[in-house]
Amino acid sequence: SQQGEEDPQALSIQEGENATMNCSYKTSINNLQWYRQNSGRGLVHLILIRSNEREKHSGRLRVTLDTSKKSSSLLITASRAADTASYFCATVPSNDYKLSFGAGTTVTVRA
Amino acid sequence: DAGITQSPRHKVTETGTPVTLRCHQTENHRYMYWYRQDPGHGLRLIHYSYGVKDTDKGEVSDGYSVSRSKTEDFLLTLESATSSQTSVYFCAISDLLAGGVNEQFFGPGTRLTVL
Repeated sequence: SQQGEEDPQALSIQEGENATMNCSYKTSINNLQWYRQNSGRGLVHLILIRSNEREKHSGRLRVTLDTSKKSSSLLITASRAADTASYFCATVPSNDYKLSFGAGTTVTVRA
Repeated sequence: DAGITQSPRHKVTETGTPVTLRCHQTENHRYMYWYRQDPGHGLRLIHYSYGVKDTDKGEVSDGYSVSRSKTEDFLLTLESATSSQTSVYFCAISDLLAGGVNEQFFGPGTRLTVL
């Protein structure tokens, strides 16, 4: 069963705006990861945040993790047309190493 | 795509026929995975391998089998394809690093249509 659930399912923004998507999960985790998938392609790893971390940055990406609420958010700042893609959160349970993916958020960046 | 290839990339087959999908890696990663991706479901794990000849079932393994006779190759077989197995199939690889870090690298996918 899916561990992570993303919200919203779809997001449309103007180029230059920020995009925020959220992920909620059900069980305790070792780490949480975000992946991007461009249309017709495989997934690409973006960022990993461990359960003892609260925030992490990578370029224009900012990820937060709140283990008390079992939720994470991904913020893409100053969006570009090339950011148009689907974004997936994936959780690694505390007692396992396999990923469990959510259904994803589809982001469209309008020029 | 990080040294991972999948073949074929597209396949159309008929119900009841056997189908084998191949995943090949050049990264020497220990772990290999097969997922299927369907609208509204994200990626669901079918089978995975934690070493040569070591495989186990994922959450949607019914109707699928796998084999891994060498590090580089992980085969997914549909013994008798059904229309419900129409999907996009992704292979992924990873190593398990310290602290449970398990970043996965994905292949380009195989689009399978079962008529």
